[in-house]
Amino acid sequence: GAVVSQHPSRVICKSGTSVKIECRSLDFQATTMFWYRQFPKKSLMLMATSNEGSKATYEQGVEKDKFLINHASLTLSTLTVTSAHPEDSSFYICSARASGIMADTQYFGPGTRLTVL
Amino acid sequence: AQKITQTQPGMFVQEKEAVTLDCTYDTSDQSYGLFWYKQPSSGEMIFLIYQGSYDEQNATEGRYSLNFQKARKSANLVISASQLGDSAMYFCAMREAGTYKYIFGTGTRLKVLA
Repeated sequence: GAVVSQHPSRVICKSGTSVKIECRSLDFQATTMFWYRQFPKKSLMLMATSNEGSKATYEQGVEKDKFLINHASLTLSTLTVTSAHPEDSSFYICSARASGIMADTQYFGPGTRLTVL
Repeated sequence: AQKITQTQPGMFVQEKEAVTLDCTYDTSDQSYGLFWYKQPSSGEMIFLIYQGSYDEQNATEGRYSLNFQKARKSANLVISASQLGDSAMYFCAMREAGTYKYIFGTGTRLKVLA
C-alpha cells in the first residue's frame, strides 16, 4: 500500500518550453501533496505544499508563477515548470500524505529528472 | 527553529554487520514525529521507520530500528545484518510542528562492503 507514482520519470526539453509533471497516489487518497527539488548530492528542498481544492502554499524564494501547482483531486497533483531554463534542471520529487490513516507519513514518488537544454 | 543534523556524510559497513546512522534534532515542541528514508541511486525515497515523540518504545521495522533518546534529542537508525542492497543515501526527517511539512537532514551515504 501507499504507492505514489510520478510521470514522466525523465524529461529533456528546450529552454523556454513548459513541462508538466504528474504525481498520483495510487492506493490512497492524499489530502496533501508536497513538491520537492533535489540538487545532486544534496538534501530535499521543499518547494510547495499542495492541498486538494485550494491554492498551493509556496516556500520562501520559490516563484509561484514559474512553478504552477494544481491539486485537482485527492489522487492527483501536477507541477508545471513554465518557461523552463537550464537552471531549472533538477530532480523533482513529490510526496503524498494520506488522509485518515498513516497521517504522519509522507510517501514519495520515484521522482522526475528534468534537463533543460 | 527546528533543525535536523546528520553529522556523517558517509559511512562504510561490512556486509552482515550492524551499522548506526546518527541523527539529532532540535525542537521546542512536545509533539513531533521523526522519520527515516532511504534513497537509492534510482532516486526514489523509501520510507523506513517512524517514531512519535510520545512513543515509549523504540520503533522497529524488520532489520531497521530507531534508537530514540528523547533527552538527548537523538533518533539514530540502526540497520542490522547489512546487505549490499542497503547501500544508499539515508535521510532523517522531522515533521514540522503545526504542519505536515518535513525538515530533512543533509543525509548519510552508506556503502555496504562485500
